[in-house]
Formats: sequence, C-alpha cells, structure tokens
Amino acid sequence: GAGVSQSPSNKVTEKGKDVELRCDPISGHTALYWYRQRLGQGLEFLIYFQGNSAPDKSGLPSDRFSAERTGESVSTLTIQRTQQEDSAVYLCASSLPIAGGGVSAKNIQYFGAGTRLSVL
Amino acid sequence: GQQVMQIPQYQHVQEGEDFTTYCNSSTTLSNIQWYKQRPGGHPVFLIQLVKSGEVKKQKRLTFQFGEAKKNSSLHITATQTTDVGTYFCAGHGAGSYQLTFGKGTKLSVIP
Repeated sequence: GAGVSQSPSNKVTEKGKDVELRCDPISGHTALYWYRQRLGQGLEFLIYFQGNSAPDKSGLPSDRFSAERTGESVSTLTIQRTQQEDSAVYLCASSLPIAGGGVSAKNIQYFGAGTRLSVL
Repeated sequence: GQQVMQIPQYQHVQEGEDFTTYCNSSTTLSNIQWYKQRPGGHPVFLIQLVKSGEVKKQKRLTFQFGEAKKNSSLHITATQTTDVGTYFCAGHGAGSYQLTFGKGTKLSVIP
C-alpha cells in the first residue's frame, strides 16, 4: 500500500475484554515497530520485528501484551484482559531493512494513523 | 538504557516569534531524527542528522547535531500557525535498531 495502514482507527472496549489491533506496513518494509502514546505523552516503544529474526519484546509492559507478525507482512498487537491504563493511541511504524542504527535513510520510520483504544 | 530528554515540554509563542526545542541523550547517538506530530495526527519524519556538528535547514527550520553527538536542537524562525504541533527528537544508539524518542515539545502559536 501507499502508507502504513492500521485498523481499527478507534476501539472502545470494556475492562477485562481482549482486543486485537492490526498493522499493515508499507510493502517492502521488513522492519516494523509498535509504540504506545498516552494522551499528551511521548512514544513508548513496545516491540520490534525485523524480517524473520526473533522480535525484540523488551518494551511490552506486561504479559497481557503480545504481538505477532508473519514474515514481512501484517502484524497484530493483542492486549488481553484490558485495563483502563491501557487506554492510549497505539501506533505502528515500518522502515526499510536496517542492520543497526546509523547512517542510512533506511532508518526513517513511517507511521500509521494509529488505533485509539479506550477501555471503559 | 538509553534515554533521550527533550525540553521544554510546552512552548507558547506569538506568531512571528522564534522557537527552539532541545534534545539531550544519555549516550552517544549514531544519528538523530526529528518528527512532527500535528494535533490528532501521527508523527511525520522531518529530517535526519548523522555527522558530528551537522547543521541542516528546511526553509524556516534549522536542525543541529552536537559535536559530541549527544544533543540536538530544532529552531524555527518566525513561527506561523502551521507550525503548531508536537516536535519529537529520536535517536539510535551505536549499533542499535531501536529508535528512542524524546517526550516531545508541544508548540502552540498564538495568532
């Protein structure tokens, strides 16, 4: 697609329910990131996928959070037994393959419009 | 772990005034990126700096990367209402794929 696509754009759920958020990255972008942005706050790194390598899950706040990605395509972020503190915008970003931080335009991250999650 | 601090958190300026936001990293960065997030929108890439002491300009925006590659600044000359938004800096540590974001500076421009 032309850009990073996320769905749904808005999700309202009841406390204790599970939710699944979807991210469709830019074609050819093997790197995919999930971030959480609470109201008025910065971006909190959650998880990173790079091709077929093991994902970096170091940012996931609890075991209620999990994410999957099949190959270099769509990723889903699942939050189980949602809590009110999970309310936030969940942003997905993708980038070209990168070997490490540094000196290439490949490092540019392209963000989706996000999913606004509200837990009542 | 790597931390990126950004100040100020908020800035209100009169239209036409200048604006600067500062970014400081706890560790040496291999690059610094700046993103802009309009109200209700998502972050959009502005620029990347890689070299020590590098300065880049985009119209009224001037970006600097410090000599030690641990700090950066974004300066906007003669702000306009279209500059409203939150400006984030973000950097990669040496050899790291993880981009660490600052908490952003929210700019309000009073017409």
